[in-house]
This record gives sequence, C-alpha cells and structure tokens, in this order.
Amino acid sequence: AQKITQTQPGMFVQEKEAVTLDCTYDTSDQSYGLFWYKQPSSGEMIFLIYQGSYDEQNATEGRYSLNFQKARKSANLVISASQLGDSAMYFCAMREENTGGFKTIFGAGTRLFVKA
Amino acid sequence: EAGVAQSPRYKIIEKRQSVAFWCNPISGHATLYWYQQILGQGPKLLIQFQNNGVVDDSQLPKDRFSAERLKGVDSTLKIQPAKLEDSAVYLCASSKRQSLWGTAPDTQYFGPGTRLTVL
Repeated sequence: AQKITQTQPGMFVQEKEAVTLDCTYDTSDQSYGLFWYKQPSSGEMIFLIYQGSYDEQNATEGRYSLNFQKARKSANLVISASQLGDSAMYFCAMREENTGGFKTIFGAGTRLFVKA
Repeated sequence: EAGVAQSPRYKIIEKRQSVAFWCNPISGHATLYWYQQILGQGPKLLIQFQNNGVVDDSQLPKDRFSAERLKGVDSTLKIQPAKLEDSAVYLCASSKRQSLWGTAPDTQYFGPGTRLTVL
C-alpha cells in the first residue's frame, strides 16, 4: 500500500492566485512528521515546511501553509499568491518514528505550472 | 553556511562498469542519507548513516551497491557493476539529528544530485 499519495500529477495556477497541492498518508504510528519539498528543474530538493503529528496548529512558512487534517490523514500544501518561480515539482514526505524506523518516504510528486 | 556538496554532477557509463559518487554534508550534521530518484518518481532512500554507523540500508541493493561514511563526515556511494535500471539521479542529504529519538523535525537538506546514465 502507498504510504504517501499525491493524486495530482500536474496542476496549473494563475500567477498571484492560491493553489492547494494534495497529500494523503497512511500510518499506524502516533508519532510522525510530514514534510513538503520543492524540486525546481535544477534538481535540488528544497525544504518548504514541516508538520509534526502532535502539533495542534497548522504549520506556516511565509507563503506556504500546511492544511493538516489528522483524522483524514491529509497534509495539503497551500501556496498563496503564486509566483512564476513556484513552477516546480512538489513532494510530500512522511517520517514515521516507530514502525517506519525513522525512514522518510516520499510521494510521487505534483508538477505545478504557474501561468503569467 | 555551505550546503551539501556532491560530485560529479553528471556521469555516463556503460552497463557492467563501476561508478562512485561523493557527498560532503553540511558541517556538523550527524545524519547522512543517499536517495535514488528515478525519472518521474519521488526519491527512494537507499541508505541512512548516523555519524559513521548505518541506521537503515534495507532498500540498498547490496549485491551491487555499497556505501561508506568514514570518520562520520564525507560519504561515497558505489555501484559495481551498473545496470541499465540504475539510471537515475542520486541525491545526498544531511540533517542535524544527533539521536534517533524525539519528535523534533529532522529536516533534511539536499545536495544538487548526480545524474547517472547507464548505456
């Protein structure tokens, strides 16, 4: 079974608009962490935002926020005021503290295209 | 602060040849990771070091892949002999995490990767 599911292979958004990238996860651990990374065409993975399973507040980092719905096991990334430079691959990842052996598992990614 | 360094950036070899990749993590980072990213997929962890000890190598094809992290700093990943399906980007990452336990974010910082093409 997939541990991390990103159902949107590609997304388009108009510049300056907000966009939500979906991520659902599967774990039986109580303690885990969720990450979002951006991968531009240059290939380097850039850390964006983190949410711990015990965090009660949704994480925010500048224009990035994580819509964490624990009961639904979803951790969607919201990018506000999209910019042309946001065009890239976006990966959701999870690290399980117990059964996962601290291994980080990545989803298949969503390619975001920002239109001028 | 310098980021994670990797070399070479690109490598083209023929199948059955051997190849080695080098990674220098961020200074002071205890944990080092090697990932394989096949085109169109997310990164897959190959091996994770905590200082110079192996934490997880369950997905490393040990018949052909090997990795070491001498003195708990630099690391090398070797493939011998290479197969066509090894064509991928090999990403190295490091994180501060000193201990396996705790819920603090173990944010990984990635290098630029090495793109390997096996012909």
